[in-house]
Amino acid sequence: KAGVTQTPRYLIKTRGQQVTLSCSPISGHRSVSWYQQTPGQGLQFLFEYFSETQRNKGNFPGRFSGRQFSNSRSEMNVSTLELGDSALYLCASSLEGIGNEKLFFGSGTQLSVL
Amino acid sequence: GNSVTQMEGPVTLSEEAFLTINCTYTATGYPSLFWYVQYPGEGLQLLLKATKADDKGSNKGFEATYRKETTSFHLEKGSVQVSDSAVYFCALRLTDSWGKFQFGAGTQVVVTP
Repeated sequence: KAGVTQTPRYLIKTRGQQVTLSCSPISGHRSVSWYQQTPGQGLQFLFEYFSETQRNKGNFPGRFSGRQFSNSRSEMNVSTLELGDSALYLCASSLEGIGNEKLFFGSGTQLSVL
Repeated sequence: GNSVTQMEGPVTLSEEAFLTINCTYTATGYPSLFWYVQYPGEGLQLLLKATKADDKGSNKGFEATYRKETTSFHLEKGSVQVSDSAVYFCALRLTDSWGKFQFGAGTQVVVTP
């Protein structure tokens, strides 16, 4: 079974631009979560989607948004990029139900904002 | 709010040494607790978990016990190998927040031959 796939692997953007990152979860996983990883702040939760609905949201500004499609694939968008948005963005998927309290992570998209 | 505090690294050990990484948490509910590991060049993967007090999670020689009285979930391994060199993350998740994990800052472990 294929793992969580994130594209692209690397991105370089300039301040003020916007960016869209993509995540394909493991087949059968309906929950998709996004995290930002930086050396200074560690792993920070962005948001979670389940069945095309945002179920949880972290403490990030409105410039960060996401969506989920009917096939569970998810995208996140960052508008008006700032230098501080440079980070590794990780996507994770999971099954539902007791005994499935486990996130499967992708390799991430490394975003550099210049 | 909810938070996870783990010891700072890097932790440098010789092969076959005993490893302990301390992790304490603060939570408004009754969380599940996890240890994730990130090997060099690889993605995060679950190492072990515990979902209720006094549960012991174990995997690959690593163990951690959910201690509600001390709000702790310390990771231990009796004899480390060079291949255990990685960054270890302690994390919690509340029961009503399925995909929303609170991670600690991570502890880098370096095992030398």
